[in-house]
Amino acid sequence: DVKVTQSSRYLVKRTGEKVFLECVQDMDHENMFWYRQDPGLGLRLIYFSYDVKMKEKGDIPEGYSVSREKKERFSLILESASTNQTSMYLCASSFSDSLGGYEQYFGPGTRLTVT
Amino acid sequence: AQSVTQLDSQVPVFEEAPVELRCNYSSSVSVYLFWYVQYPNQGLQLLLKYLSGSTLVESINGFEAEFNKSQTSFHLRKPSVHISDTAEYFCAVSEPGDSWGKLQFGAGTQVVVTP
Repeated sequence: DVKVTQSSRYLVKRTGEKVFLECVQDMDHENMFWYRQDPGLGLRLIYFSYDVKMKEKGDIPEGYSVSREKKERFSLILESASTNQTSMYLCASSFSDSLGGYEQYFGPGTRLTVT
Repeated sequence: AQSVTQLDSQVPVFEEAPVELRCNYSSSVSVYLFWYVQYPNQGLQLLLKYLSGSTLVESINGFEAEFNKSQTSFHLRKPSVHISDTAEYFCAVSEPGDSWGKLQFGAGTQVVVTP
């Protein structure tokens, strides 16, 4: 069964802390994505990666960075957490080819609260 | 650039009644279209998608959506809902030939089914 796992379901951090969110997929997918989900805004793409050590900015990359050292693992890093980064964070993965259109598989999400 | 508009933020519906969730998109190129569902406290999962061919696509649990190119719409319908259909539904688009398969999501429609 296809699986995307995220390291924590709930996380509470203080302003200024460095935060790591981890995502692991077991489907050998090339593409991995980090989104944040906020009420009334849907899902917004933060960063994505199409290969090990390769990354691209999404629509809202400010205040975030990512790391992909292994194909199955994609980490989201908040260098200095701020209260406006309180949100639900969703990781996803998908196959890749020149046609596109593949389903993205999502993890359960991490609800991050920054106080 | 692509954008997706979901016209209803919340749709209350009685059990066994029909439901329609509206989705309109804007794009200067052809698109792939998706509907994802998010059940409470879970990640998103694919409900159905349109890539090409028949403009009417169906899911295994009774939902259907019709691609209307002239109206740039991809509305989702179910003739008779169950309590278990209570969830948030997201419409999304991607661009054919985008090997990364990036998705642009709408803001979501919360469906609440009551007895």
